[in-house]
Amino acid sequence: EADIYQTPRYLVIGTGKKITLECSQTMGHDKMYWYQQDPGMELHLIHYSYGVNSTEKGDLSSESTVSRIRTEHFPLTLESARPSHTSQYLCASSTLTDDTEAFFGQGTRLTVV
Amino acid sequence: GEDVEQSLFLSVREGDSSVINCTYTDSSSTYLYWYKQEPGAGLQLLTYIFSNMDMKQDQRLTVLLNKKDKHLSLRIADTQTGDSAIYFCAEKDNQGGKLIFGQGTELSVKP
Repeated sequence: EADIYQTPRYLVIGTGKKITLECSQTMGHDKMYWYQQDPGMELHLIHYSYGVNSTEKGDLSSESTVSRIRTEHFPLTLESARPSHTSQYLCASSTLTDDTEAFFGQGTRLTVV
Repeated sequence: GEDVEQSLFLSVREGDSSVINCTYTDSSSTYLYWYKQEPGAGLQLLTYIFSNMDMKQDQRLTVLLNKKDKHLSLRIADTQTGDSAIYFCAEKDNQGGKLIFGQGTELSVKP
C-alpha cells in the first residue's frame, strides 16, 4: 500500500483566490512529481523535485509554484486561481536509485469558478 | 521530444480478452509501464517491462514489447467488470527519469 496523501480531495474556489494543494509521503522518497490531468485524461508533468531544495519545471508550462523544504512534503501553490486552472492534480513519488515504480496519490480535483 | 500514443476507448464483453495498444517514440527508454486509474482515484502501477524483454506475463496480464516498431501492448485475459478503468502507458525519460504518459485508454467491460 502506497503512503502518499493529497489534500484536499476536492476543492471548489473562486477566481483570484490563493490556494495550496498538499502532498505528503511517508516512504522517504527523494523524487516527487506533480502531474496535471486534463478532462480528456492525459497527464502532463508540471513540476518535479529530486530532493530538499530541488524544484524543476516539467514539460507543461504552469502558473503554479512548488517548494520542497522537507523530504515528505511537496506543496503546490496557485497565487491567483483562474477557471483555466480547473483540473485534476496528481502527486507522485519515487526513490532516486530505483524509480521503476512511481507511487501516486489519489489526486485533488480543483474547480475554479 | 518523447511522445506516447494510445487509442482512447475500448469496449469488450466480460470474459473476453482485452488488448490495449501503445506506441512510443523514445527508443532509449529502459522501462515501459502500464498504470490503471479507477474513477476518482490516483494511478496504480499494474506492471512494467524492461526494454530488453519481449514479453512479460503476470497472472491475467501479458505485456508485449516490439522495440523495432516501438509498440507496447497490454493483454488482459478473462476481462472482468472490475477491470473497467483508464489504462495509461508510460515510458521513462532517461534524461531526468520522468514518466511520460499516453492519453489513457478507457476500458469499458460489459456484462
